[in-house]
This record gives sequence, structure tokens and C-alpha cells, in this order.
Amino acid sequence: GAVVSQHPSWVICKSGTSVKIECRSLDFQATTMFWYRQFPKQSLMLMATSNEGSKATYEQGVEKDKFLINHASLTLSTLTVTSAHPEDSSFYICSALPLDRTYEQYFGPGTRLTVT
Amino acid sequence: AQTVTQSQPEMSVQEAETVTLSCTYDTSENNYYLFWYKQPPSRQMILVIRQEAYKQQNATENRFSVNFQKAAKSFSLKISDSQLGDTAMYFCAFMRQETSGSRLTFGEGTQLTVNP
Repeated sequence: GAVVSQHPSWVICKSGTSVKIECRSLDFQATTMFWYRQFPKQSLMLMATSNEGSKATYEQGVEKDKFLINHASLTLSTLTVTSAHPEDSSFYICSALPLDRTYEQYFGPGTRLTVT
Repeated sequence: AQTVTQSQPEMSVQEAETVTLSCTYDTSENNYYLFWYKQPPSRQMILVIRQEAYKQQNATENRFSVNFQKAAKSFSLKISDSQLGDTAMYFCAFMRQETSGSRLTFGEGTQLTVNP
């Protein structure tokens, strides 16, 4: 149990376009989901905390107008990278916090974004 | 703010041997959780072990065990009988204990290589 999926697993887009990444908790409900960004050989950097039915909370230095987060249901959060640029190329990982086990985050498999 | 420090960027061990990964953290909280996550080349984050700060007994999971020293704010991971599949990046992480979902703070990571 406690599976989190991400779609797509890999996406290539042209500079200036937008791309949406989905994060789903498949067998549990999660009021809170997190979005991370990871560069090669580096740690995970928290971008934002997504709460179902409310606005996301962004970490300092993360542009909320560029990285749009929507958490419309207890099993789905989306991250949209708007007007993507090559420097947005990275590995994006989501995690979800079960309603009944708020001490453990379950991670998705990640999405590799390449902006050309 | 909490910080997590992993002072060993890279480590290697021979198959079947034992290795210990170090982690220190800084917090003013009294109630919290500590985690070790494994990230293999697939980049899927996998929970290795969890420790509740209020528990004095060190957590163990099969070949994985921790040495939790609360006063020293130290949380090391010992891997016994190392296997080739243990080759991965290992992250130490801290989470405050809250009724609602709390964020994880990650260390920089330690790349472990198990040699045949």
C-alpha cells in the first residue's frame, strides 16, 4: 500500500511553453502533498507544500507564478511549470502525507523535465 | 530552523561488510522524527528506517539499524552484511512532530557504493 504515482515520468518541452506534472496517491487520501526539485548529485529541495482545497505555501525563492500548484482533491496535486526555460530542467519529485499517518511521507517516482 | 548535516559525501564498502553513515542535526524541538531514505539510481525515494525522538530504543529494520544520540543530536545508520543492491544515495531527514503534516528537512546525502 501507500503508492504515489507521477505522470509523466519524463517530458521534453520547448522553451516558453508550459508543462503540467501530476502527482496521485493511489490507495490513500492525502490532505498534504509536497513538491521537491532535485539537481544531479544533490539533495531534495522543497519547493512548496500543497494542501487540499487551499493555496499552496511556497518556499522562499520559489516563484509562485512560475510554478503553479493545484491540489483539487485528496488524491491529486498538480505542478505546472509555466513559460519554461532551460534552467527549469530538473528532476521533480512529489510526496504525499496520509491522513492517518502524518509522520511519514510517501514519494512518487519523480519526473524528469528537459527544456530545450 | 532545523538543519541536517551529512559530513560524508561518498563512502564505499566491500560486499558483506558493515558500514556506518553519519548524520547530525540541529533543532530546538523536543518531539520529532528522524529518517533515513535511500535513493537508488532509479531515483525513487525509499524509506529505510524511522526513529521517534521520544523513544530511547534505537530503531532496527533487518540489516539496518540506527544509533540515535538525542543529547548529541546524532543519528547514524549502520548497514550490516552490505549487499550490492545497497548501492545508492542515502539521505538523513528530520521532521517536526505536529498534528498536521510537517515538512522534511534533508541532509546533503551520502553516496554509498558497495563493491563486489
